[in-house]
Amino acid sequence: GENVEQHPSTLSVQEGDSAVIKCTYSDSASNYFPWYKQELGKRPQLIIDIRSNVGEKKDQRIAVTLNKTAKHFSLHITETQPEDSAVYFCAATDMNYGGSQGNLIFGKGTKLSVKP
Amino acid sequence: DTEVTQTPKHLVMGMTNKKSLKCEQHMGHRAMYWYKQKAKKPPELMFVYSYEKLSINESVPSRFSPECPNSSLLNLHLHALQPEDSALYLCASSQEGGGRADTQYFGPGTRLTVL
Repeated sequence: GENVEQHPSTLSVQEGDSAVIKCTYSDSASNYFPWYKQELGKRPQLIIDIRSNVGEKKDQRIAVTLNKTAKHFSLHITETQPEDSAVYFCAATDMNYGGSQGNLIFGKGTKLSVKP
Repeated sequence: DTEVTQTPKHLVMGMTNKKSLKCEQHMGHRAMYWYKQKAKKPPELMFVYSYEKLSINESVPSRFSPECPNSSLLNLHLHALQPEDSALYLCASSQEGGGRADTQYFGPGTRLTVL
């Protein structure tokens, strides 16, 4: 099955700086890679996702890059703001789970702190 | 409407109680999920329903019993839980299930405490 590693586990940046979170996955058949933001006590919310037929996707200050050969993908947040402070989870699809596909395996999360 | 709702928000129960968690979505999604999330950990998949049929049971103890009465509703029946079952229980839904990776939308969760 799929295994997702996420680094770093904690990240502290100054407001206005950029933040980068990296994930690696093990199953080369995985084809969908979402990123979720979870604020304390709240639900995980999708912030951006990418499919395996695309190398990069951008949405305002947030971008995701995917390197299928190396099996890693990264989240880039530019011009960080205090409200970006949260735990961020990457995920990848588990394509070989008991015959069913499309289920997500999550990384362990990155706690991002943006200091004013 | 891109919202998944869950009730109750908080639940405290004893180890001998029977309770149920409820989840509802009106997005026409055909896959629904139950996750368990402990503090400072990622969500862990428990069950997946695809087209109202249980497609995945992640070796979850029988004290957790899922039910999908129709395509919009998902229940999780709880009985004889242990204190270590205390966690945030998240429901999610996606457009398709079993064969296609679609965006999963999460509900706000039920914070469960087992005494």
